[in-house]
This record gives sequence, C-alpha cells and structure tokens, in this order.
Amino acid sequence: AQSVSQHNHHVILSEAASLELGCNYSYGGTVNLFWYVQYPGQHLQLLLKYFSGDPLVKGIKGFEAEFIKSKFSFNLRKPSVQWSDTAEYFCAVNAGSSGGYNKLIFGAGTRLAVHP
Amino acid sequence: DGGITQSPKYLFRKEGQNVTLSCEQNLNHDAMYWYRQDPGQGLRLIYYSQIVNDFQKGDIAEGYSVSREKKESFPLTVTSAQKNPTAFYLCASSITGRAEAFFGQGTRLTVV
Repeated sequence: AQSVSQHNHHVILSEAASLELGCNYSYGGTVNLFWYVQYPGQHLQLLLKYFSGDPLVKGIKGFEAEFIKSKFSFNLRKPSVQWSDTAEYFCAVNAGSSGGYNKLIFGAGTRLAVHP
Repeated sequence: DGGITQSPKYLFRKEGQNVTLSCEQNLNHDAMYWYRQDPGQGLRLIYYSQIVNDFQKGDIAEGYSVSREKKESFPLTVTSAQKNPTAFYLCASSITGRAEAFFGQGTRLTVV
C-alpha cells in the first residue's frame, strides 16, 4: 500500500539553527510531492511542491526540498529557522491508485518548535 | 473571495446519531477530499472524488458516507457505525486529481 513516512515527530530548535525534516514514500510510479505547513490555529497551507524537472524545489519563506528518486525521499530544509516557523509540517504524495484515480496521502506530521 | 468553506466550525452530537459535515468550494475544482486529523497520526484519507457523481473510498472509509451531486459540494456523513468519530475533519479540493490541494478551516466534531 502507498504510504508516507516522516521520521521526526517532534523537533525543537533554537532560532538560526538549520532544519531538515525527513520524508520517505512507498510508491514505485510517477508521483507528485508536497510539503504543507499548519501554523497554530490556521488551516493547512502549501509550502512547496514537486511535479517534475529540477529535483531541488524552492518554496515560500526560505524553505526548499530535494527529491531523490533513488531513495524515495523528499526532505524539507531551511538554512536558518525563525521563531515564526513554529508549526506542524506535513509531507504528502499524490500517486495513482487502482481504477486510474489519484490519492493524496499524508505523513503523520512533524511538530517543530523554535525557541528564541 | 474564492475558497473552501466548512461548516460548522464546532459540532457536538450524541452518540448514535448521524451527523453531516458541509464542504463547499467556489474554486471550480474537480477533485475534492475528506481527511480526518488526529494527534500523531497526520491526515488520513476518508473519501475522495475526482468528478461529480463519482467518489472513492480512502484508507478509513468505514462508518462514513459521502455524496457528490454538485461540483461545488462534497458533504460527509459520520454515521453511528463510526466507532471513534470525535476528531478534526478537513475538506480539501484541487483543480485535478494530481494537483496541489487547498484546505478548508476544518470542523471539530465531538460526540458525547
């Protein structure tokens, strides 16, 4: 079955530290990959996406992610986090399923807390 | 403003009662989704629809039902068969089944 794994459930960082959140998926075909962010009390927002082309994609607020096909990974990175990055981050994969339908599957999420 | 509207924001029901959560979008999106969000489990797919009058079960469809009679609307019914219905429910839509999804604000359902 298709699945998305996020390795870290809770991450605590100080401001200016670098961030890398892991995401692996299990699906052998063509996939579209996403990172979403949920700030406290707000709805889910798209951070960045990968459909094709350059495997290093840049998103909003200085975030980037790298698609490594051989590792089935799509890790999220930011060189220097800010207190305002405190949020929950979700990796998601959109892949084909039986009958030609496309399912959007999410990981369990990583809760990031950034201390001033 | 274009967007996805879920109503109500908070919903309380007695155990054994069916309840319907509303989801409306004016983005002209073909695909719509229902997810359930529980702490530590991320978003789990309940049902999804890529076109009017067609929908598919997601990973946790038992105890839920949906309809897609109009492009704009994708209501979710939580039936009495759902063993643990208290949760935060999120509706989403996307232009096509492969594009990024846009989310509503969610409905927090509490069954007492």
